[in-house]
Amino acid sequence: GAVVSQHPSWVICKSGTSVKIECRSLDFQATTMFWYRQFPKQSLMLMATSNEGSKATYEQGVEKDKFLINHASLTLSTLTVTSAHPEDSSFYICSASSRAGNTGELFFGEGSRLTVL
Amino acid sequence: RKEVEQDPGPFNVPEGATVAFNCTYSNSASQSFFWYRQDCRKEPKLLMSVYSSGNEDGRFTAQLNRASQYISLLIRDSKLSDSATYLCMTGNTGKLIFGQGTTLQVKP
Repeated sequence: GAVVSQHPSWVICKSGTSVKIECRSLDFQATTMFWYRQFPKQSLMLMATSNEGSKATYEQGVEKDKFLINHASLTLSTLTVTSAHPEDSSFYICSASSRAGNTGELFFGEGSRLTVL
Repeated sequence: RKEVEQDPGPFNVPEGATVAFNCTYSNSASQSFFWYRQDCRKEPKLLMSVYSSGNEDGRFTAQLNRASQYISLLIRDSKLSDSATYLCMTGNTGKLIFGQGTTLQVKP
């Protein structure tokens, strides 16, 4: 089946640094990828929708200047957490749909656990 | 009101029990419905899609009620390995939203 790979799985950084997370679709082209964030014992919250070749669409309350999304190719989207702070510590997960219109099954990356000291 | 709502539980059931979860959604235009399973500290994995006519996969049955805007998941003959968080997801083109998840603990 379709596979989405996310890297890195774990990252620990100092407050004020920037962290980049990559999301790759390995065996299909994804015109749209989604970025979610999950705090402990909470659900996945959609942060933004990443569209290949255009600007990402951010959900209400998500700062686009803090969470930079780049979707430069049909198989790669990146999320950069700029000037990370301890409150940004969370589990970040990307997903992609293998169908046009994004009405099909979503395939998830393994997630990236960010800890900001 | 949240777009997608679930009872967070936890549901504690003995092995062999039948358990049902509901998930309500507020967007009447939603076209896609799924149940995902998430184990602790892992990414969600698709359990099953939910079709208008209802569908079954082994011990799992999913149903959709468009009039009342909810989907359900029924698990029969619960196994210890069914212990996890079950997330419903609904949406339409371009936007898929998760519920907060329902935690199931199956006890010996």
